[in-house]
Amino acid sequence: KQEVTQIPAALSVPEGENLVLNCSFTDSAIYNLQWFRQDPGKGLTSLLLIQSSQREQTSGRLNASLDKSSGRSTLYIAASQPGDSATYLCAVRPAYGGSQGNLIFGKGTKLSVKP
Amino acid sequence: DTGVSQDPRHKITKRGQNVTFRCDPISEHNRLYWYRQTLGQGPEFLTYFQNEAQLEKSRLLSDRFSAERPKGSFSTLEIQRTEQGDSAMYLCASSLGGLAVKNEQFFGPGTRLTVL
Repeated sequence: KQEVTQIPAALSVPEGENLVLNCSFTDSAIYNLQWFRQDPGKGLTSLLLIQSSQREQTSGRLNASLDKSSGRSTLYIAASQPGDSATYLCAVRPAYGGSQGNLIFGKGTKLSVKP
Repeated sequence: DTGVSQDPRHKITKRGQNVTFRCDPISEHNRLYWYRQTLGQGPEFLTYFQNEAQLEKSRLLSDRFSAERPKGSFSTLEIQRTEQGDSAMYLCASSLGGLAVKNEQFFGPGTRLTVL
């Protein structure tokens, strides 16, 4: 059974700091991995999607990497800003059995960027 | 707005009542998903449609839950005889599925259900 773990559960940093969020998954048989942002009481915003054949994706100040064989992904945020404060969720799309695309999520990392 | 929309955004109901939620996906997306999220947890998969066909259901989807996507466009999720444990955020997502596509899922704002 695929399980996704995110460490740390919460992180507080001063504005301007570069930071790394970690995601690990137990089964390397995945189609892709998505990183999302969720603001309190809101839906999810897709940040980056990495296909299983890719090593990394970049969007602005965000860079996500994927090491499928070791079951790990990282989300790197450069020059953090108070507006980056949110919960960041990692999700994998399994590539096994009859699964047709549902995502399996971690519990998220709650990020707080202090001005 | 061309994103995923959900209605209502909030629903408060009494235990034992039936509730229905609606999701309108991004117009060209053929796949639609329902998830449930409780406080402090990541979303959990409930069910998935490709066009109008319901192709996958989670064990979380008890017989009190039913979902439809009658014309392959919008979808409804109904919960019968609600229980306090049904209180959660219900999220809908859509994607363009098929060969040689990313199948990136885009989420709506969610419907917050509170069962008293």
